[in-house]
Amino acid sequence: ELKVEQNPLFLSMQEGKNYTIYCNYSTTSDRLYWYRQDPGKSLESLFVLLSNGAVKQEGRLMASLDTKARLSTLHITAAVHDLSATYFCAVDGSTSGTYKYIFGTGTRLKVLA
Amino acid sequence: DTAVSQTPKYLVTQMGNDKSIKCEQNLGHDTMYWYKQDSKKFLKIMFSYNNKELIINETVPNRFSPKSPDKAHLNLHINSLELGDSAVYFCASSQDSAGGLGTQYFGPGTRLLVL
Repeated sequence: ELKVEQNPLFLSMQEGKNYTIYCNYSTTSDRLYWYRQDPGKSLESLFVLLSNGAVKQEGRLMASLDTKARLSTLHITAAVHDLSATYFCAVDGSTSGTYKYIFGTGTRLKVLA
Repeated sequence: DTAVSQTPKYLVTQMGNDKSIKCEQNLGHDTMYWYKQDSKKFLKIMFSYNNKELIINETVPNRFSPKSPDKAHLNLHINSLELGDSAVYFCASSQDSAGGLGTQYFGPGTRLLVL
């Protein structure tokens, strides 16, 4: 069964600091997705990584994908309070025409002023 | 315009009742999904439909029955509600193909509390 694990599960960091969230998955996939969920809200797409070595950046967030290592990272640069949210990675777990996302466990990020 | 909408947003009900949640998307996507998010924020797929046809039915109790009258709508009916059904239920849609899954667009969620 495909597993998607994130670490850390919880992250409390000071404003201005850098940190990386890791997403490991257990099967071959060349597509990986990052989503953000604010407390009490829905999920919003952040990045779609479509191939090995893909790197995407938006503001203080940068995501990368290494399909050989089955690893994606979400790097936070100079964190600000507005980045406090839960971040999910998701992998394309489709088989034989069944469309299926497998979501990671989520990383709850709290940025302290 | 709301891309993916769900009703109701909040649902408080007694054990044993039957309830429905409705979902509509105006993005023209072919695939729609239901997810359950528990209190620990774990997000688990329940069902997916592609062009009104059931594609995925995860190990969900048969008290849960999805219905897709057309590709823009996916409803979820729950019979004999139990305490453990309390969660947030998200509907989502995406444009998927054999080339890979599209970005998912999520509804606002339905917060179900069973008393």
